[in-house]
Amino acid sequence: GESVGLHLPTLSVQEGDNSIINCAYSNSASDYFIWYKQESGKGPQFIIDIRSNMDKRQGQRVTVLLNKTVKHLSLQIAATQPGDSAVYFCAENSGGGADGLTFGKGTHLIIQP
Amino acid sequence: DAGVTQSPTHLIKTRGQQVTLRCSPKSGHDTVSWYQQALGQGPQFIFQYYEEEERQRGNFPDRFSGHQFPNYSSELNVNALLLGDSALYLCASSLGRNTDTQYFGPGTRLTVL
Repeated sequence: GESVGLHLPTLSVQEGDNSIINCAYSNSASDYFIWYKQESGKGPQFIIDIRSNMDKRQGQRVTVLLNKTVKHLSLQIAATQPGDSAVYFCAENSGGGADGLTFGKGTHLIIQP
Repeated sequence: DAGVTQSPTHLIKTRGQQVTLRCSPKSGHDTVSWYQQALGQGPQFIFQYYEEEERQRGNFPDRFSGHQFPNYSSELNVNALLLGDSALYLCASSLGRNTDTQYFGPGTRLTVL
């Protein structure tokens, strides 16, 4: 079946650098995408979302880019901090209002001092 | 403003037993979704409740059932537990028929021995 996936399971970056986490999706009907951050022992925390009628959205230190042509989603974190260490999941919703979210496997972001 | 709460935080059961997990949605939310997250994996959608009815269901057997109460809180029941049911069970809440923006609780860690 169609699913959301991630390119890299682990990403290690230096504190203060920018991080880019990638996600590929295969369901062309998906019209809403979300990034979640999950720290050890906790539930996923909403970071930022984007709808399919947009290609970029910015939040505080985070930017999500959507490329519908190649079905690619990315999360950019500026000036990475130790508190950004976590597993990051992208999730998609194919719309219709009644479907659950489809998650990828996640990328573990490690911040090096 | 209360976030999503879940109880209990941890639970240990043996094979064949039954378990009930509970969730209270974020204040103002009326839709509850349940997810199962195996270790090292992304959450998988179990089902969603709105107006006290199951609206949509993922690929989970009938051993998994649920309920939503008039105050929007929800229960997840799992019968005839299997070792493979060991996971983090997450509850997410959202508002109305628009299920896109889902906010997650801390989860219940279920261990089946």
